[in-house]
Amino acid sequence: SQQGEEDPQALSIQEGENATMNCSYKTSINNLQWYRQNSGRGLVHLILIRSNEREKHSGRLRVTLDTSKKSSSLLITASRAADTASYFCATDATYALNFGKGTSLLVTP
Amino acid sequence: DAGVIQSPRHEVTEMGQEVTLRCKPISGHNSLFWYRQTMMRGLELLIYFNNNVPIDDSGMPEDRFSAKMPNASFSTLKIQPSEPRDSAVYFCASRSGSGLGNEQFFGPGTRLTVL
Repeated sequence: SQQGEEDPQALSIQEGENATMNCSYKTSINNLQWYRQNSGRGLVHLILIRSNEREKHSGRLRVTLDTSKKSSSLLITASRAADTASYFCATDATYALNFGKGTSLLVTP
Repeated sequence: DAGVIQSPRHEVTEMGQEVTLRCKPISGHNSLFWYRQTMMRGLELLIYFNNNVPIDDSGMPEDRFSAKMPNASFSTLKIQPSEPRDSAVYFCASRSGSGLGNEQFFGPGTRLTVL
């Protein structure tokens, strides 16, 4: 069953702009992960944030987590055309991860 | 390491035929997952193996689907008989350890089309 839901479903921006994607979930979590999927490819892990963390950075990525609101956001700064992909949040379930349906990001030159 | 390897990358078959998808996880990973991705339902977990043992197959849609992991380096997902609604991209993923805090590594997927 899917727990995470990303918002917006689709986002179109120009190179150099920042892209923000949000994820909401329903039940308590131990950690939340973000993945990227390029067209025709498998998912690639981007970053993991634990429930006791509020913010995490990795290169141009910034992830926040608000457990009181059961939400997370992924910010990509200074976007590039190569960032065009779908982005998924994933929350921990009993054995595996529950993935949302993703945000489709288009970065135009 | 070559990452998670899946074969075939594309499969087109006719309704009623048997389909076998294959996966080689990353060496040393003891958790393996099969997912199905469609536009309508997103990414769904079909089955989870830990140390070659199926732990959770509650996501397998029906008896037409079966999965095996005869050893630590190989798994198959079989659909018999296949139906048009099985058309989707099937991903295999592996992970080291059983902790949910570890990232999953995905294969490139098999795009299945059932006519």
